[in-house]
Amino acid sequence: DTAVSQTPKYLVTQMGNDKSIKCEQNLGHDTMYWYKQDSKKFLKIMFSYNNKELIINETVPNRFSPKSPDKAHLNLHINSLELGDSAVYFCASSSGLLNTGELFFGEGSRLTVL
Amino acid sequence: AQSVTQPDIHITVSEGASLELRCNYSYGATPYLFWYVQSPGQGLQLLLKYFSGDTLVQGIKGFEAEFKRSQSSFNLRKPSVHWSDAAEYFCAVGVSGNTGKLIFGQGTTLQVKP
Repeated sequence: DTAVSQTPKYLVTQMGNDKSIKCEQNLGHDTMYWYKQDSKKFLKIMFSYNNKELIINETVPNRFSPKSPDKAHLNLHINSLELGDSAVYFCASSSGLLNTGELFFGEGSRLTVL
Repeated sequence: AQSVTQPDIHITVSEGASLELRCNYSYGATPYLFWYVQSPGQGLQLLLKYFSGDTLVQGIKGFEAEFKRSQSSFNLRKPSVHWSDAAEYFCAVGVSGNTGKLIFGQGTTLQVKP
């Protein structure tokens, strides 16, 4: 059983489209995250949720909307996709917010916007 | 502001040779420090972490890291590199405030020569 699973792994789409990435964790963790890894492999946090509550929104354009239906799921919806949104998006989870830093990452979803 | 710098973008070592990957951080208080490894096409996996106490920490896969406050460094070492260690290595610092947020360095790509 994969601890943190994301779907789809690959997304190729046209500019202006809307797409979603889903994430599920079966670790019983309270906290989930979305990180973006750009073409230079730089990783930056986008959002974090703790028990379905938004904790971090890291000045991400409001075209990006996370949704956490329960603490095991954190989905990412992106409206009006732009070329600059092309990246690998990683979902992660941790057992809490107290800087344990032990994040469990999914395998990533590679988004390509044409 | 907190930041992490990995001075070496790319390192090549021979199999069996020793390895040291550098990491410098900027942080006002005692930092929480981490090293993660990313194999090609995979998510990130935690190698080791430092919170407090002994400044030499042991991790998985034979890695260790040493926290040096005077140098604001947290370098990763391995005495003998295996071909399977070829990957991307990320140093990260945990941000205080109970947000679970990590700030990552730009990564070091490790290539292992046979």
